[in-house]
Amino acid sequence: AQKITQTQPGMFVQEKEAVTLDCTYDTSDQSYGLFWYKQPSSGEMIFLIYQGSYDEQNATEGRYSLNFQKARKSANLVISASQLGDSAMYFCAMRDPDNYGQNFVFGPGTRLSVLP
Amino acid sequence: DAGITQSPRHKVTETGTPVTLRCHQTENHRYMYWYRQDPGHGLRLIHYSYGVKDTDKGEVSDGYSVSRSKTEDFLLTLESATSSQTSVYFCAISEPLFRPAGSGAGYGYTFGSGTRLTVV
Repeated sequence: AQKITQTQPGMFVQEKEAVTLDCTYDTSDQSYGLFWYKQPSSGEMIFLIYQGSYDEQNATEGRYSLNFQKARKSANLVISASQLGDSAMYFCAMRDPDNYGQNFVFGPGTRLSVLP
Repeated sequence: DAGITQSPRHKVTETGTPVTLRCHQTENHRYMYWYRQDPGHGLRLIHYSYGVKDTDKGEVSDGYSVSRSKTEDFLLTLESATSSQTSVYFCAISEPLFRPAGSGAGYGYTFGSGTRLTVV
């Protein structure tokens, strides 16, 4: 069974600094997708970034980048130049494309607090 | 924009009463999902649907039932609500989440705004 681990229940970062949120995953599949979602205090789930298991380059999306280390089965989210609005819960998730029904597994989340 | 609407946004109900949550989508997506979110557990799949009248159980389906009589609507029912079902419920659909510069897309979830259910 697939599993996502996020070992940091909470993180603090100073405004304008970079922060890395850890995510490790466990799967025996060769083809899969990794996603990060942001959940601000308002409650909605916001898609941030996606990495395919066969992608040769790390995904980037503005201030978000994904440090993908396939051999270590890790997909850490890097947020550069943190802003106060980045304070939120962040969830790592994995999709198994061969199991389309029950194909998304989420980690427990990391709460990021950006300090002024 | 997947056009996902959940209703109600908030609900307080008494133990033992039936409760139905509604998810409505406007873009004819085939797959729809119900998740619950609890502290320390992330999101856990309750039920999903892969078409009209086609549904299946997820990880935490006990105490819940679903129905999908139309493509656009996916209903989640708590037959007899219990305090352990106090949670935030999210509906989701699966659609391409595109990356910039035409570098491809992965099918990921787009979520509704959530329903906060409290069972007292």
